[in-house]
Amino acid sequence: GNSVTQMEGPVTLSEEAFLTINCTYTATGYPSLFWYVQYPGEGLQLLLKATKADDKGSNKGFEATYRKETTSFHLEKGSVQVSDSAVYFCALLDNYGQNFVFGPGTRLSVLP
Amino acid sequence: EAGVVQSPRYKIIEKKQPVAFWCNPISGHNTLYWYRQNLGQGPELLIRYENEEAVDDSQLPKDRFSAERLKGVDSTLKIQPAELGDSAVYLCASSLGRVSTDTQYFGPGTRLTVL
Repeated sequence: GNSVTQMEGPVTLSEEAFLTINCTYTATGYPSLFWYVQYPGEGLQLLLKATKADDKGSNKGFEATYRKETTSFHLEKGSVQVSDSAVYFCALLDNYGQNFVFGPGTRLSVLP
Repeated sequence: EAGVVQSPRYKIIEKKQPVAFWCNPISGHNTLYWYRQNLGQGPELLIRYENEEAVDDSQLPKDRFSAERLKGVDSTLKIQPAELGDSAVYLCASSLGRVSTDTQYFGPGTRLTVL
C-alpha cells in the first residue's frame, strides 16, 4: 500500500537557520504530493503541493521538489522564524485521486 | 469566508457511551472527509463523501462507527459504543471536488477522550 515516511522530530533550530525536513514515499504510479502545517491550537493548513515529477511547490518561503527518482519531497526553508514553529505533515494522494495518506508529522521548534 | 466548522471542540466520555461529532464544510464544497488523528501521528482517513454518497468508507470500523451526510452539506460521525482506544482527534475536511487534487481544508477537530 501507499505510505509516507518523515524524519523524526522534534527538530529544534535557531532563528534564521536553514531547515530541511525529509519526506519519502511509497506509491504506485504518479501520486500528488503535499506538505501540510499545523500551528499550535489550529487545524491543518495546506502549505504547498506538487502534482507531477520535477514540479516545485513553494509558499511562505518554503519549497519542496517532487523527485520521482528518489521518491522524495523534502521540505526546505532558507531562514526559519519563530513563527514557523509547528508540526509539518507530508502527504500523498494516489494517482486515482482516492487515497490520501499522511506521514506521522515532524515537530519544528524555532528558538529566538 | 467561513472555514470548516466542527463541534464540539472537546468531548470527554466514559467507555461504552455513545458520542457524535458534527461538521459543516465550506459552502459549495462537494467532498467531505472524516479523519482520525492519534497522538503523535498523521491523520488517517475514515470516510469520504462526494455530495451525500459515501464513496470510500473502507477504513471506517463499521461495527461501532457510523456517518451520514443526508443533504450533501453537513455531516455527523457517531461512535457507539466508544472504547478507550477511540481517544483521538477527529478531523473533518472539505474540498471543492472538481478534481482529485483540489485542496482539502481542515476544521479544528474534536478532541475525544474516553475514560
